[in-house]
Amino acid sequence: GDSVTQMEGPVTLSEEAFLTINCTYTATGYPSLFWYVQYPGEGLQLLLKATKADDKGSNKGFEATYRKETTSFHLEKGSVQVSDSAVYFCALSDAQGGSEKLVFGKGTKLTVNP
Amino acid sequence: SQTIHQWPATLVQPVGSPLSLECTVEGTSNPNLYWYRQAAGRGLQLLFYSVGIGQISSEVPQNLSASRPQDRQFILSSKKLLLSDSGFYLCAWRGDTFMNTEAFFGQGTRLTVV
Repeated sequence: GDSVTQMEGPVTLSEEAFLTINCTYTATGYPSLFWYVQYPGEGLQLLLKATKADDKGSNKGFEATYRKETTSFHLEKGSVQVSDSAVYFCALSDAQGGSEKLVFGKGTKLTVNP
Repeated sequence: SQTIHQWPATLVQPVGSPLSLECTVEGTSNPNLYWYRQAAGRGLQLLFYSVGIGQISSEVPQNLSASRPQDRQFILSSKKLLLSDSGFYLCAWRGDTFMNTEAFFGQGTRLTVV
């Protein structure tokens, strides 16, 4: 079945450091890929998405490129801020694979120190 | 625009008591609806999803049940809570899953069973 694997956390960085959170996936169809962010005590918010190979999703300085050849969707940001501290989830949707469900990774907790 | 409401925000219940969590969506019709649970420091576990009124799919056998009495209403219930039911419960909706659309989440309910 479909699955998402993302790097184990937690990740601790200093402000203005470069961020990469790795995400790889397996899917039977042609999935769309998502990154969600969860701030403490809140629900998940969509951060960015990509719907086909080579698409780049971007939002709030975060970027991720849909790489079909490596089945990856790594999240990057060039200069993190304290306000980026949150849990980040990679997810996929594979309707063509026959599922109505979003499949999530286990989440990566990011802490940014001033 | 579409909005999703989930209540209550926090709940403390004794073991053996009943549970009812409600989720409603506004601004869309025939949404796909989902209940997730997030244990402390862990990822998302899909509990139930619904593609239409009265149609419920259960992902894991457990002490909980779900119902969808109206198109935009999704209820999570239990007759007798267990300590292990504690967690952060999230409701989500999606539009057309054949288009691999993203999910939108409510703000969550923090349930503590004591």
